[in-house]
Amino acid sequence: NAGVTQTPKFRILKIGQSMTLQCTQDMNHNYMYWYRQDPGMGLKLIYYSVGAGITDKGEVPNGYNVSRSTTEDFPLRLELAAPSQTSVYFCASSYSPGVGGTAAKNIQYFGAGTRLSVL
Amino acid sequence: GQQVMQIPQYQHVQEGEDFTTYCNSSTTLSNIQWYKQRPGGHPVFLIQLVKSGEVKKQKRLTFQFGEAKKNSSLHITATQTTDVGTYFCAGPIGSSNTGKLIFGQGTTLQVKP
Repeated sequence: NAGVTQTPKFRILKIGQSMTLQCTQDMNHNYMYWYRQDPGMGLKLIYYSVGAGITDKGEVPNGYNVSRSTTEDFPLRLELAAPSQTSVYFCASSYSPGVGGTAAKNIQYFGAGTRLSVL
Repeated sequence: GQQVMQIPQYQHVQEGEDFTTYCNSSTTLSNIQWYKQRPGGHPVFLIQLVKSGEVKKQKRLTFQFGEAKKNSSLHITATQTTDVGTYFCAGPIGSSNTGKLIFGQGTTLQVKP
């Protein structure tokens, strides 16, 4: 199993350009997440998905969009890149049994990250 | 809103010294998870604690979950250069089992050989 795969690993964008960060997982996890990590900071949740066709905003969703057409894929779209979006982006997935399930789940598995610079 | 704070933010130790990082939540947590991120790497799951007062060990690492389930600690005995990295604690957001986690800002450990 490859786990969580992110592409590209690095990208430089000009202000106003758009791009899609790809994320795919082969663990049949129902939950997927996008985080951004700024230098010396923790992880901020951008968007998450509890299953195909279902997405919701996290803590810092402005400037981003997501879709989840399949269980495996959860791309993150930047429509008009801004310097404030310079960051490292991590995709993660987890298995959640849902309401009533045990707490021994929801362990998140992360991809290797995409390092994005907007100049 | 819900917050998870970690202290210290940075710690420099001599190889062989012990290290402890503390995690404090503004709310009671159903469980707490710990992750390690090596420099330039991605977060990797270490452990999950579920029970009040729970203590778990992984070789030189000891994890504790407080009695009130609002704080946790990670203690490393006799640090090695392989322990270098940032350690994050994380707890579930809200009371429902949504899968979302709130992460502390992390403690970055540097080990001098």
